[in-house]
Amino acid sequence: TQLLEQSPQFLSIQEGENLTVYCNSSSVFSSLQWYRQEPGEGPVLLVTVVTGGEVKKLKRLTFQFGDARKDSSLHITAAQTGDTGLYLCAGVYGTASKLTFGTGTRLQVTL
Amino acid sequence: GAGVSQSPSNKVTEKGKDVELRCDPISGHTALYWYRQSLGQGLEFLIYFQGNSAPDKSGLPSDRFSAERTGGSVSTLTIQRTQQEDSAVYLCASSFMQGAYEQYFGPGTRLTVT
Repeated sequence: TQLLEQSPQFLSIQEGENLTVYCNSSSVFSSLQWYRQEPGEGPVLLVTVVTGGEVKKLKRLTFQFGDARKDSSLHITAAQTGDTGLYLCAGVYGTASKLTFGTGTRLQVTL
Repeated sequence: GAGVSQSPSNKVTEKGKDVELRCDPISGHTALYWYRQSLGQGLEFLIYFQGNSAPDKSGLPSDRFSAERTGGSVSTLTIQRTQQEDSAVYLCASSFMQGAYEQYFGPGTRLTVT
């Protein structure tokens, strides 16, 4: 059974601060996705990374995929209150058609 | 049409009763997934449908859980003889093609078993 560990589990910061969320696995991913979920809603896809060492930017969010494709990080620059939510990484292993989700990082950004 | 829709949005049921949860995927999406999200937890895969292929039921926690997908579109997740540990948010997702890329999620059904 593959395990996807996310850290930290909870993060409370003030607006304007930077933060990084980590996603680690003992197995190699075929691809990895990051989602953001707000209360009462389903997760919304932010990005998909496929290639080891890949870096993708989405406005103030920077996503990195580890060279060995076993880990990923999400970095938010100058966090805003609108960034508040649950951030989930989800990996695909091998040729599987299903996603294995991490336990999530709950981010709270305050003024 | 619009996004993935699920109904009901909330369901409260007594222990031992059966419940049916419905998912309408995005039109044209051939793959449909069911997940369960318990309080403070990530998403747990339940079942996956792809076209006319046999569904991947490997995530169903017990034989009280079943799901079907009629006409390659709407799906129903049925939980028989509900237990308190079944309380969770049940999320449905669809994607354009086979593979786990770019899944679009519905808002979920919050199930509470009393």
